Amino acid sequence: KNEVEQSPQNLTAQEGEFITINCSYSVGISALHWLQQHPGGGIVSLFMLSTGKKKHGRLIATINIQEKHSSLHITASHPRDSAVYICAVSSQNSGGSNYKLTFGKGTLLTVNP
Amino acid sequence: DTGVSQDPRHKITKRGQNVTFRCDPISEHNRLYWYRQTLGQGPEFLTYFQNEAQLEKSRLLSDRFSAERPKGSFSTLEIQRTEQGDSAMYLCASSLAHLVAGGPTYEQFFGPGTRLTVL
Repeated sequence: KNEVEQSPQNLTAQEGEFITINCSYSVGISALHWLQQHPGGGIVSLFMLSTGKKKHGRLIATINIQEKHSSLHITASHPRDSAVYICAVSSQNSGGSNYKLTFGKGTLLTVNP
Repeated sequence: DTGVSQDPRHKITKRGQNVTFRCDPISEHNRLYWYRQTLGQGPEFLTYFQNEAQLEKSRLLSDRFSAERPKGSFSTLEIQRTEQGDSAMYLCASSLAHLVAGGPTYEQFFGPGTRLTVL
């Protein structure tokens, strides 16, 4: 079992729909990251959070530390939101220095006009 | 300085050849990471540097792989005697510290990646 699991793997939506992507993790973390990757490879950081909820424009990220679960929501989805969305965690290690990311496999989102 | 840059963006090579990739991080970032991503998978950690010191290497990094960051600025990743299984996107990221509950953590900024194809 991977340390970071995302669902669904693929998601197709119509423009304007509300979208939810889920992430579950099995390790102790210091922070959870949501990333966006467009075709061609470039990765952009959307959110880094350790508690509660963050909002940026039409994107909302939530995290429940007790349940080890996070969700990424997109309101009023648009074709330009089509991309791979990746959940990643900063893991705690014995030295207490939190650095490398452990990634989920990503969710391919396609928003049709 | 507009972000992390990587060179080349694409590399096609024949099996058995050596290749070298370069990463230039955001100038004030002292941490630099290398990741590898194969098709349909999330990135996997390879190694990371704090300044010029290489502090951890993944078991994915076989002895054919070597990474350096000689002056604590740019980094190179070399693959010797390439194999078809080395075909992947090689991603570089650099980081800036953030304090969160539980200790410091590091938001990472990614470069565009170098796509390697080994024929």
